[in-house]
Amino acid sequence: KQEVTQIPAALSVPEGENLVLNCSFTDSAIYNLQWFRQDPGKGLTSLLLIQSSQREQTSGRLNASLDKSSGRSTLYIAASQPGDSATYLCAASGSARQLTFGSGTQLTVLP
Amino acid sequence: EAGVAQSPRYKIIEKRQSVAFWCNPISGHATLYWYQQILGQGPKLLIQFQNNGVVDDSQLPKDRFSAERLKGVDSTLKIQPAKLEDSAVYLCASSEARDINYEQYFGPGTRLTVT
Repeated sequence: KQEVTQIPAALSVPEGENLVLNCSFTDSAIYNLQWFRQDPGKGLTSLLLIQSSQREQTSGRLNASLDKSSGRSTLYIAASQPGDSATYLCAASGSARQLTFGSGTQLTVLP
Repeated sequence: EAGVAQSPRYKIIEKRQSVAFWCNPISGHATLYWYQQILGQGPKLLIQFQNNGVVDDSQLPKDRFSAERLKGVDSTLKIQPAKLEDSAVYLCASSEARDINYEQYFGPGTRLTVT
């Protein structure tokens, strides 16, 4: 059974700082790895999707990497802004295309 | 392109009452998912439909939860009778079968409070 862990559970940084969010998964037989953003009271917004054959994906100030052999993914946010404050969730997709989510990292970027 | 629609957005009920949630996926998306997200946790898959058939309902508490997707489009999730521990956000998501990435698109969710 796939288990996904995210560390840290909460993170507070000053504006402008570069930061890394960590995600680990126990079963390396994944189809893809997705990073989502969740704002309070809202649904999930997909940020990046990395296929199992890929090593990383980039979108603007976001870069996500995937290392299947070690069961790890990281989300790098460059030059953080207060608008980046949200909960970030990673999810691993198995053969049935089902997502197993971590508990998320709650990010606060202080102005 | 319209997103995944869910209603109601909020619901408060007493324990032992029943409740139903509705989801309308993105047009053309064959796969539909219902997730339960308890405060402070990530979403947990309850049931997955492919068109109007159930692919996986292994984590659905079938003694009180039921779901259907008639005609392979809209879906309803029902809880009867509700318990205090059912308080959570219920998220609906859909994906396009032809998308090799099977990227899932989520609705805004329904926040259920059981008192």
